[in-house]
Amino acid sequence: GNSVTQMEGPVTLSEEAFLTINCTYTATGYPSLFWYVQYPGEGLQLLLKATKADDKGSNKGFEATYRKETTSFHLEKGSVQVSDSAVYFCALSRGSGGSYIPTFGRGTSLIVHP
Amino acid sequence: NAGVTQTPKFQVLKTGQSMTLQCAQDMNHNSMYWYRQDPGMGLRLIYYSASEGTTDKGEVPNGYNVSRLNKREFSLRLESAAPSQTSVYFCASSGGQGPYNEQFFGPGTRLTVL
Repeated sequence: GNSVTQMEGPVTLSEEAFLTINCTYTATGYPSLFWYVQYPGEGLQLLLKATKADDKGSNKGFEATYRKETTSFHLEKGSVQVSDSAVYFCALSRGSGGSYIPTFGRGTSLIVHP
Repeated sequence: NAGVTQTPKFQVLKTGQSMTLQCAQDMNHNSMYWYRQDPGMGLRLIYYSASEGTTDKGEVPNGYNVSRLNKREFSLRLESAAPSQTSVYFCASSGGQGPYNEQFFGPGTRLTVL
């Protein structure tokens, strides 16, 4: 079946540091890949997505590239801010039998200190 | 445009009590989902509805029932609450059947079962 593995947290960084959160996946065919962000006390919201191999999703300074050869979708940001402190979820979706069920990773908590 | 709304925001139940969590979306989405989020477990799918009139079990359906009342509304019912159902519950919706459609989440219901 489909699965998503992301690095365990918490990831603790100082403001303006470089961020990488690793995400690898297992799926048949060509899934779409997503990063969601969850701020404290809120629901998840889409951060970025990529729908085919070599696509790069980007938003708010975050980037991730769909790497089919390594089945990865690592999240990066060049300079993090305190306001980026949140939980980040990697996810994939893949159609099957007329419907599709997304698969989420367990989430990685990011803490950014001033 | 309210997006996805959930009621109530907080609820405390005693073991054996029943309750219904309400969810509504105003984006004319076909698919709706119920998840639970527990520390260290990420998101786990309880039930989903790929389209109006259909519902299917997810990863952890035991102890829950759902109703897709119409295209807008998807409710989750706990018939006899147990302490193991203490969790944060999220409703989500998605626009189409394709794998490239992201999910839109509500703000969550924080449920405690004593």
